[in-house]
Amino acid sequence: KAGVTQTPRYLIKTRGQQVTLSCSPISGHRSVSWYQQTPGQGLQFLFEYFSETQRNKGNFPGRFSGRQFSNSRSEMNVSTLELGDSALYLCASSLAGRSSTNEKLFFGSGTQLSVL
Amino acid sequence: GENVEQHPSTLSVQEGDSAVIKCTYSDSASNYFPWYKQELGKGPQLIIDIRSNVGEKKDQRIAVTLNKTAKHFSLHITETQPEDSAVYFCAASNNDYKLSFGAGTTVTVRA
Repeated sequence: KAGVTQTPRYLIKTRGQQVTLSCSPISGHRSVSWYQQTPGQGLQFLFEYFSETQRNKGNFPGRFSGRQFSNSRSEMNVSTLELGDSALYLCASSLAGRSSTNEKLFFGSGTQLSVL
Repeated sequence: GENVEQHPSTLSVQEGDSAVIKCTYSDSASNYFPWYKQELGKGPQLIIDIRSNVGEKKDQRIAVTLNKTAKHFSLHITETQPEDSAVYFCAASNNDYKLSFGAGTTVTVRA
């Protein structure tokens, strides 16, 4: 079974631009989460989606948004990029359902975003 | 919110020795504690997890212990091998669809 797939693998953008990252979960997984990883802040939770609904959101500004499609694929968008947005953005999927929560989380390899 | 502290930040061990990483958490409602291993250029990989109704769990050379009263949990790797060299993260969750991660431990296994 294929793992979590994230595209693109690398991105270089300039300040003020916007970016869209894509994530395809493991087949059968309907929950998709996004995390930001930086050397200074570590792994920080962005948001989680299930059945096209955002169920939880981390402490990030409104410039960070996401969505999930009916096939469980997800995208996250960052608008008005800042230098501090440079990070590895990780997507993870799980079998968590409507009522089940703490299911195993499987991560993709991430998208490395560099903002110049 | 949940705060997870992880120690040590770096750990160097001789091949064949054991490695121990410790984490503490702040939210007494947390009930799920996974451990992840991250190699260079890859995403975190789940290596073992434990739920709050269990005190210890083993999987070959890896074991995790949980002390709910003290709110701490530990990862034990026995008979370390060079391929165990990586960054290890602990995490905690309280049914809110997110994981709170520790800062990570860089483990180096010396041959």
